[in-house]
Amino acid sequence: QVQLVQSGAEVKKPGTSVKASCKASGYTFTSYNIHWVRQAPGQGLEWVGIISPSNGATLYAPKFQGRVTVTSDTSTNSVYMELGSLRSDDTAFYYCAREFPGSIYFDSWGQGTLVTVSS
Amino acid sequence: EIVLTQSPGTLSLSPGERATLSCRASQNVNSHNLVWYQQKPGQTPRVLIHATSSRATGIPDRFSGSGSGTDFTLTISRLEPEDFAVYYCHQFGGSSHTFGQGTKLETK
Repeated sequence: QVQLVQSGAEVKKPGTSVKASCKASGYTFTSYNIHWVRQAPGQGLEWVGIISPSNGATLYAPKFQGRVTVTSDTSTNSVYMELGSLRSDDTAFYYCAREFPGSIYFDSWGQGTLVTVSS
Repeated sequence: EIVLTQSPGTLSLSPGERATLSCRASQNVNSHNLVWYQQKPGQTPRVLIHATSSRATGIPDRFSGSGSGTDFTLTISRLEPEDFAVYYCHQFGGSSHTFGQGTKLETK
């Protein structure tokens, strides 16, 4: 079955960076785009960016442009999201999610990586 | 970037009642690119409706979606106890995805 397994929780200081991982299994990795979506505790969903593992093409939300980098590794079926210049309001669960082909919706989600930014 | 505004913020209804949730966009949205999710506490979102009005696999027919342009609606015809949750609309346009801020459907 399709699984997206994310890396564990992180605690970071303001101004530093964090790199979360998302390991995919149960499907052909290069056939599905992967998105990153974040959700601050008790708040709504916020789109961060997308990568196409087949060619490495990326697209980022304007808010995160210049501060986020999403990469993929086809040898390990993994996607990575690195967010830099962390601030306290970056504290959130970061989810990877698989995009259903031919549509825009997310049909499978990772369990989330909690990133806490605190001095 | 297209901004999605959901209303109401909170909707208080009883099981058996009809729920109507609104999602208004700041610019026209391609109907193919409008999605609704349900999220329960401690869970990741679950897709309910894609392409404005197509039910996702396994979603009961009491859930329906409609709309076009800038105005979209999710309707739950008769609320079941398991339907009380937060609902989000989601769109892709102008090279960016955005979500609405959510509508919390709570038991009256």
